[in-house]
Amino acid sequence: LAKTTQPISMDSYEGQEVNITCSHNNIATNDYITWYQQFPSQGPRFIIQGYKTKVTNEVASLFIPADRKSSTLSLPRVSLSDTAVYYCLVGSSGSARQLTFGSGTQLTVLP
Amino acid sequence: GAVVSQHPSWVICKSGTSVKIECRSLDFQATTMFWYRQFPKQSLMLMATSNEGSKATYEQGVEKDKFLINHASLTLSTLTVTSAHPEDSSFYICSARDLSFYEQFFGPGTRLTVL
Repeated sequence: LAKTTQPISMDSYEGQEVNITCSHNNIATNDYITWYQQFPSQGPRFIIQGYKTKVTNEVASLFIPADRKSSTLSLPRVSLSDTAVYYCLVGSSGSARQLTFGSGTQLTVLP
Repeated sequence: GAVVSQHPSWVICKSGTSVKIECRSLDFQATTMFWYRQFPKQSLMLMATSNEGSKATYEQGVEKDKFLINHASLTLSTLTVTSAHPEDSSFYICSARDLSFYEQFFGPGTRLTVL
């Protein structure tokens, strides 16, 4: 399973764009990159998933360079309610194997 | 997206008793379910993987006789913490996956407190 590395914590202010980068040097050819958000005492919530280049949905964008050894989650105009832990995971949909959680990034949005 | 529920959402029990936690996929069939444990300020740690109709696969260091997992149907998996002790107090989270989906769907978690 591909190991991921993320910053332990990040601070931002309301209204700013936040970019969280994750490195996954040994990502496999059939692995997808998935980001989850977790609030205290809640289960992780799916944010976005991608394989290469750029993916955008209503809450975030995911940028993946050509070598796929890293990825960047971009949160536009964060608010206080975006304060949470963000996890980057890599894994293959073709296997029943679970996704391994790394340490995650604690994002704190300040007023 | 698909919904996964857990019951109960929290439970307090005495040391030595057994506690059962249910995980249900509400609108899809989960061929595989996963059980995680999360201690305060830490990441999720996988405990076991269960496939419907077969024995669960436990991660290294997880006692299979203490954490009994049953996945008898495509929508229900249960985790039973047997002879619970205070060190078993934790946040238990399940997730469910259908092989046609790329992502896992997580339950809301169950807070277990053993006195």
